[in-house]
Order: sequence, then structure tokens, then C-alpha cells
Amino acid sequence: EAGVAQSPRYKIIEKRQSVAFWCNPISGHATLYWYQQILGQGPKLLIQFQNNGVVDDSQLPKDRFSAERLKGVDSTLKIQPAKLEDSAVYLCASSWSGFSYEQYFGPGTRLTVT
Amino acid sequence: EDKVVQSPLSLVVHEGDTVTLNCSYEVTNFRSLLWYKQEKKAPTFLFMLTSSGIEKKSGRLSSILDKKELFSILNITATQTGDSAVYLCAVANLRDNYGQNFVFGPGTRLSVLP
Repeated sequence: EAGVAQSPRYKIIEKRQSVAFWCNPISGHATLYWYQQILGQGPKLLIQFQNNGVVDDSQLPKDRFSAERLKGVDSTLKIQPAKLEDSAVYLCASSWSGFSYEQYFGPGTRLTVT
Repeated sequence: EDKVVQSPLSLVVHEGDTVTLNCSYEVTNFRSLLWYKQEKKAPTFLFMLTSSGIEKKSGRLSSILDKKELFSILNITATQTGDSAVYLCAVANLRDNYGQNFVFGPGTRLSVLP
């Protein structure tokens, strides 16, 4: 089966600019996660979707980050405006349901904010 | 606040050595503990543990969970250079309505020298 797809793989922007990341989960997976992984740290959950509804966005900096999963399939994560501390790898993962123990991760997008 | 702690944060060994990686946790509603290996970008799944005292094995890797003391260890015997990676520990925290979320530790960076 095809894995989780993400694009772009790399992005360099200047602070205060905007950026968007795209994720296509494994077909049939109802749950989708966006994580931020800063260098030297473990992944931190930003937002979790169940189908097209948000079930956890408690750690999403909502003044600058937004995410959507309109049709319950693809998802986009946006940062506007970006700050230097947003430099990180953004990982998307999906699972069959919110109770599935196994998440399947995409390759990630490495964002550098200068 | 839910947290996962790993030690050591970094470890350098020579091929053939045996290593033990540690993970301790404090979460609201424990469901399972997972170990991942992260070499480049996306974490890859190694083990899931839910019951105390039952060892999971896969080749040279093994892991065990102690739910009373809230920790897990990951053992790698006869290490090889290909074992060099960051090893992430994550805990699945059961939520009321939508399943679970995952809290990751900072990871242990293992370097195996020839």
C-alpha cells in the first residue's frame, strides 16, 4: 500500500512569510496527526483529526498556525507569519482510527526560517 | 502535564556492545508504550507494549514494560553500525471520546562505531 505522502520535502522562508504543508494519508485512515519536531527533540503533537473534525489542537499556536482536513482525506498545515523558532521538521502521520496503536509517518517537511 | 523522559540522551558504543535505553513516563491515562527508530526523517515502529513483564523481541532488539514503576527499557545486543539512530519512546494516552494521543520523549541518539 502507498505510504503517507508529504510535500514539499524542504522549504526555506524568511521570518514573517507564510508557508503551507500538504499531507496525503494512507487510503482509508480516519485519523491524521501533524507533529512538529525541533532538532534534538521528540515529535510534539500539533493537531489531530478524526475524519474531517479536529479532536485535539491544544498545542497548536493558533495565532499563527492553522490546519484543515476538509474532505476527511488530505490535510494542509499553514504557518502565517513564520518565526525563527518554527524551524523544524513537520511530520504527518495517519492511522486507521483514533484507537489504533500504530501510526504511519510520512517523510516530513524540513522548514528553515531565516 | 503528561511527560515522557528518556535516558541517556546520547550514547556512543562500539560494534558488538550491548546497550540499554531507558524510558519513564507520567501520563493521565496510560494505554500503551511504543518504541520507534528514527534514522533520517520518519520514525519507524519497533514495539508496542501494553502489559507489564512481557518481553517483546525482534532479532537483536527486545523491550519490556514495568507499569508499576512506569518505565520501559529497550535492549540492543551485538550492536551494528546500522543501529545508529535516534530511538524514540512514546506513550499512548487514552482520551475519552476520540481514542488516544501520543506523547513522545526526546529520544536517545545512539552512535555505533565500527
